[in-house]
Amino acid sequence: AQSVTQLDSHVSVSEGTPVLLRCNYSSSYSPSLFWYVQHPNKGLQLLLKYTSAATLVKGINGFEAEFKKSETSFHLTKPSAHMSDAAEYFCVVSESGTGRRALTFGSGTRLQVQP
Amino acid sequence: ETGVTQTPRHLVMGMTNKKSLKCEQHLGHNAMYWYKQSAKKPLELMFVYNFKEQTENNSVPSRFSPECPNSSHLFLHLHTLQPEDSALYLCASSQEAAQSNTGELFFGEGSRLTVL
Repeated sequence: AQSVTQLDSHVSVSEGTPVLLRCNYSSSYSPSLFWYVQHPNKGLQLLLKYTSAATLVKGINGFEAEFKKSETSFHLTKPSAHMSDAAEYFCVVSESGTGRRALTFGSGTRLQVQP
Repeated sequence: ETGVTQTPRHLVMGMTNKKSLKCEQHLGHNAMYWYKQSAKKPLELMFVYNFKEQTENNSVPSRFSPECPNSSHLFLHLHTLQPEDSALYLCASSQEAAQSNTGELFFGEGSRLTVL
């Protein structure tokens, strides 16, 4: 069975400061991990994905995430927040080896960016 | 233009009404999905269609009835809904729904449903 926990429901940062959104996962198989972003009144958009290649994954809009198997974490970071980064972010785990793909979504972290 | 279009964007209905949500994808994908997004809850997968065949029904009440006439179109027919069914209903598509590590879904902007 797989699960994903986003450790913060809300994060608030000032524009220009670093962003850290935390995600821990559990998986019985080799997982794939994803971050999706949802801007207000929009659907979800893929930010980045880890699929057992490089553990440091770069995504769109300057975001990146590092897969740490020993810590079962996949935290999302960005060096400098921009006002347009204000959105909800979802960490997602996908298991292979079960005969079908099953995506499990975290409950989301709402990022506020203060001017 | 996301490639996945949902209509209507907003819908208000009474508990005795019958309405439908529509989703269309222009990406050439073979798998389509309905998700329910409620406040303060994780995204809930409702249905999966792969090559027009339903491959997953995640214990969804029968008052929600999906229809997939072809790989590009997906409907969600609604009847005798309850107020707790009020939510954002998201449609998504992907290349295929079989075992895959890509996990990349393309989402529409959602249909905001309010049941009075």
